[in-house]
Amino acid sequence: NAGVTQTPKFRVLKTGQSMTLLCAQDMNHEYMYWYRQDPGMGLRLIHYSVGEGTTAKGEVPDGYNVSRLKKQNFLLGLESAAPSQTSVYFCASRPRDTSGNTIYFGEGSWLTVV
Amino acid sequence: GNSVTQMEGPVTLSEEAFLTINCTYTATGYPSLFWYVQYPGEGLQLLLKATKADDKGSNKGFEATYRKETTSFHLEKGSVQVSDSAVYFCALSAWGGGSEKLVFGKGTKLTVNP
Repeated sequence: NAGVTQTPKFRVLKTGQSMTLLCAQDMNHEYMYWYRQDPGMGLRLIHYSVGEGTTAKGEVPDGYNVSRLKKQNFLLGLESAAPSQTSVYFCASRPRDTSGNTIYFGEGSWLTVV
Repeated sequence: GNSVTQMEGPVTLSEEAFLTINCTYTATGYPSLFWYVQYPGEGLQLLLKATKADDKGSNKGFEATYRKETTSFHLEKGSVQVSDSAVYFCALSAWGGGSEKLVFGKGTKLTVNP
């Protein structure tokens, strides 16, 4: 059971470089999310999507872009990486059907910007 | 707005000690409440949940009761084990902006010593 898969798991970037994090889920979930986790800050929502072709801003969207061209994939892009974007990134997904549904997380992507 | 406040850690206990991690929330409407656990190097996984007032969620010896009158969802375990060492996140799920989103607390790191 794959669940939610994130790639890459680790990456080191130089300031100004660009990269894309890929999230794939095989559970046919409508909702997908990208969070970042920083010490003492918990999880903060970057962007989310409620369905294929739709995206919306979360709590900390600046410096990131996302796309949901296929239902199973949710891409997070950094156009010009900054040291402040050094973090652990988590993708998550869940079905839309009912309130309070469990959200499923990927294992995280550790990104360092130097 | 919706928010979750949980006790700051870190919390260090001896094996077989009693655990309480406090969590209070602010929300409009009737949120669902969750506890997620994150083991070292892994993503978050659902520990337990409660979807309406007075519900008790339980799993792996952990319990939490949805208290609407005190807006709380405190996590408890009667006898912790070394394997319970992890970061615990309280979260609520509520509607906002036309979709349902999760709001996380900042996490409480628990270390259990043998």
